[in-house]
Amino acid sequence: QTVVTQEPSFSVSPGGTVTLTCGLSSGSVSTSHFPSWYQQTPGQAPRTLIHTTNIRSSGVPDRFSGSILGNKAALTITGAQADDESDYYCVLYMSSAIWVFGGGTKLTVL
Amino acid sequence: QVQLVESGGGVVQPGGSLRLSCAASGFTFSGYGMHWVRQAPGKGLAWVAFIRDDGSNKFYADSVKGRFTISRDNSKNTVYLQMNSLRAEDTAVYYCAKRGGTSGTTGVYAFDPWGQGTLVTVSS
Repeated sequence: QTVVTQEPSFSVSPGGTVTLTCGLSSGSVSTSHFPSWYQQTPGQAPRTLIHTTNIRSSGVPDRFSGSILGNKAALTITGAQADDESDYYCVLYMSSAIWVFGGGTKLTVL
Repeated sequence: QVQLVESGGGVVQPGGSLRLSCAASGFTFSGYGMHWVRQAPGKGLAWVAFIRDDGSNKFYADSVKGRFTISRDNSKNTVYLQMNSLRAEDTAVYYCAKRGGTSGTTGVYAFDPWGQGTLVTVSS
C-alpha cells in the first residue's frame, strides 16, 4: 500500500522561509506524480495552492512555490505571514487513476 | 465563478445508505472530471472517487470499492456519491472537487476548486 509522507508539524518565524516535503514510503516522487498542494484552515474547505509540481493556482501569492527536491516534492513558503498558519496537504497521482494524499503538515507561524 | 455545493449528508446507522449530491455552476460541467474527497474528524484528507467528464470511467479508493458508487448527470450539472453498507469509519466531511483541468492541459491531475463539504455521521 502506497503511503505519502509529510512532516506532521513545522514551525516558522514571521518573515522566514519554510520548506514542507512530500515523499513516498517506497520510491521517489517525480514530476510524473503531478504533485499538488492544498492549504486548509480549521472548518474550511481546502484551497489549491500548487499543481503539476510548480504551477501556482490562480490568485496564489508568489511566495508559495513548488518543486522537486531530491526524491520528494516540496512546498516552499518565502516570507511567511501569520495567516499562513494552516494545515498543508500534498497529493500524488499514482498510476491507474488513483490519487493518494499525504497525512498533512500543521504549520505554526510564531 | 466556479461554485460547488454539496448536500445530502446526515446521520445514518451502520449498514445504511446515503446519497450525496454536488451541484456545480460557473463552468462547463460536462467538460470536467469530478472527485469526491473525505476528511474524518480531526484527520487528513483522503481521496474517495473520480468520474470522467462523460461518466465513461469511474475509479475508487480501495477503502470504498464495492460499497460506494460515483455517478453524474450532465444535464443537471450534478455529481453524486451513493454510499452503501456504511461503517463507522466512513464518518467524515465529504467534499466534491472539480478536476483542475481538461484532458491534455496542466492541472488535470489537481483538485480545483473544492466545495464546502457535507458531514456524514455513521452511528447507531
